[in-house]
Amino acid sequence: QKEVEQDPGPLSVPEGAIVSLNCTYSNSAFQYFMWYRQYSRKGPELLMYTYSSGNKEDGRFTAQVDKSSKYISLFIRDSQPSDSATYLCAIGNYGQNFVFGPGTRLSVLP
Amino acid sequence: NAGVTQTPKFQVLKTGQSMTLQCAQDMNHNSMYWYRQDPGMGLRLIYYSASEGTTDKGEVPNGYNVSRLNKREFSLRLESAAPSQTSVYFCASSELRGLASDEQYFGPGTRLTVT
Repeated sequence: QKEVEQDPGPLSVPEGAIVSLNCTYSNSAFQYFMWYRQYSRKGPELLMYTYSSGNKEDGRFTAQVDKSSKYISLFIRDSQPSDSATYLCAIGNYGQNFVFGPGTRLSVLP
Repeated sequence: NAGVTQTPKFQVLKTGQSMTLQCAQDMNHNSMYWYRQDPGMGLRLIYYSASEGTTDKGEVPNGYNVSRLNKREFSLRLESAAPSQTSVYFCASSELRGLASDEQYFGPGTRLTVT
């Protein structure tokens, strides 16, 4: 079993839709959860960062962590064509490097 | 403030050739990383430098060497390139020293093809 699994997509949605992106992980000791966005032919950039459990909201983006299920989610409300990118989850613990998921490719169609 | 810069952007090598990928950051960060990204595999850590003067192996170090030249620069060398090293290489940096769990800032990547 891979440490971090993520549906690679691609996922296509119409503009304005609510998008749900998910990752599962195997190591219950993980405490730090990040979502990176990567536009085509660019480096990843941090979108959301959550420590331990709970929800975090930033504008149209909400990150959720369910440690009991070892499952994290990123929700995008009112999705825009500019949200079209690959979304990578990164999960880790202090003193250890992050483990990255393979990424989900999202296309938001006008 | 350029962030993390990488050179070259593209490179084609023949099997057995060597090359060095250059990375520099201007954010005064302590830690620097080299990753490779392959389809369906996510980002995999090759080497990292938790502080100036130290380097350590990551998940996939075979076939690579690194040098932390100073606090700003971290280079990745392929001594004898193999087709399996065809990938996109990303350099990243983070503020805190060590494998700390803070945000990593990524460069634009180097697309390497080994024929």
